[in-house]
Amino acid sequence: DAGVIQSPRHEVTEMGQEVTLRCKPISGHNSLFWYRQTMMRGLELLIYFNNNVPIDDSGMPEDRFSAKMPNASFSTLKIQPSEPRDSAVYFCASSLTSTTGSYTFGSGTRLTVV
Amino acid sequence: QQQVKQSPQSLIVQKGGISIINCAYENTAFDYFPWYQQFPGKGPALLIAIRPDVSEKKEGRFTISFNKSAKQFSLHIMDSQPGDSATYFCAASIKTGANNLFFGTGTRLTVIP
Repeated sequence: DAGVIQSPRHEVTEMGQEVTLRCKPISGHNSLFWYRQTMMRGLELLIYFNNNVPIDDSGMPEDRFSAKMPNASFSTLKIQPSEPRDSAVYFCASSLTSTTGSYTFGSGTRLTVV
Repeated sequence: QQQVKQSPQSLIVQKGGISIINCAYENTAFDYFPWYQQFPGKGPALLIAIRPDVSEKKEGRFTISFNKSAKQFSLHIMDSQPGDSATYFCAASIKTGANNLFFGTGTRLTVIP
């Protein structure tokens, strides 16, 4: 298995533009998580899905952020419009619900909003 | 509110020394305590984990010590090596219900030769 695949690895965009981050979880995993990592706040859970259904989106900072999981093998995190304070590394992780706490993380997308 | 508190924020250890990272929690419903290791440019990776029915778990040079009454757990890295230089996160979760990990703030470990 190739692990959790995220794209792009790096994204530089101008303030106000729409940004879409993509994630392919490990085949067979039924939970998917989006995290944001910054020096100031560490790892923050933004949203997570169980069997493609959003379970908890309380970590989504504001309405500019949205996430979808149209099927078991794909998820997107969209920021529209983007702002400089959104600059961070965004991680996607997946797991089996039956193995709570054992997550496999992707390599992340480093987002820079200028 | 930080569900899991981690210290120190950074740690410098000589090669061959012991690295110790501490974590504390309040929610007694937590029953799974993993540690994740993150190298620069990579996502966190599960290193070792413990359940509260044991007080210690050892895997190679890595040991978790768990104190249920104090609601504390720690990671010990014996014979620390420069290759262990990374950021370490403790975490906690509840076995049943929501599959959600609460992470500590991380400890940046540097092992100097």
